[in-house]
Amino acid sequence: ETGVTQTPRHLVMGMTNKKSLKCEQHLGHNAMYWYKQSAKKPLELMFVYSLEERVENNSVPSRFSPECPNSSHLFLHLHTLQPEDSALYLCASSQVKGTGDPYEQYFGPGTRLTVT
Amino acid sequence: AQSVAQPEDQVNVAEGNPLTVKCTYSVSGNPYLFWYVQYPNRGLQFLLKYITGDNLVKGSYGFEAEFNKSQTSFHLKKPSALVSDSALYFCAVRDIDDYKLSFGAGTTVTVRA
Repeated sequence: ETGVTQTPRHLVMGMTNKKSLKCEQHLGHNAMYWYKQSAKKPLELMFVYSLEERVENNSVPSRFSPECPNSSHLFLHLHTLQPEDSALYLCASSQVKGTGDPYEQYFGPGTRLTVT
Repeated sequence: AQSVAQPEDQVNVAEGNPLTVKCTYSVSGNPYLFWYVQYPNRGLQFLLKYITGDNLVKGSYGFEAEFNKSQTSFHLKKPSALVSDSALYFCAVRDIDDYKLSFGAGTTVTVRA
């Protein structure tokens, strides 16, 4: 996939580890998103960056720390996670000019995270 | 506040039969509505969206969706399902004054040969 890429695709980490998820979009978009997908639950929006500024933090625990160094890259830094944090983490991007724009989001393939 | 309901966890149809995946929404203002599909071990792929205008929206892979304002619904349809349509389908809504998408819990579609 060339639109939105995510690495690694799979990650197993212990509760005391520190790891990072990486997302890169090649679509020229100016907004990027992190979602958590757990089985049988709606996608949970975690963080939103628009024009490289964080505009949304949905009460996400501090053990998740996002970073957006530029409009094409987004990271999710992980430390001291819990087993219930095991899930598929999806990155998405979109073009945002104003809140009234109907642009759809484009998703990466996700990182399957398992916390042991 | 905005929300989406997909009342069916699972939809099973025979190949060649019509496929319908239901979605109802709630927004305080006017909605933008989206359908996405997710294949195993993949991210979500955009299928189609409703912005304004015609209530019947056509999208990728022969899918279409009908916007019904009075029933606050946006059901996904395909006249003749294929085995390859077997996947997880998500409906999503955005208030036009917001940038955040709210997703339903998803409907697993199984098309049997």
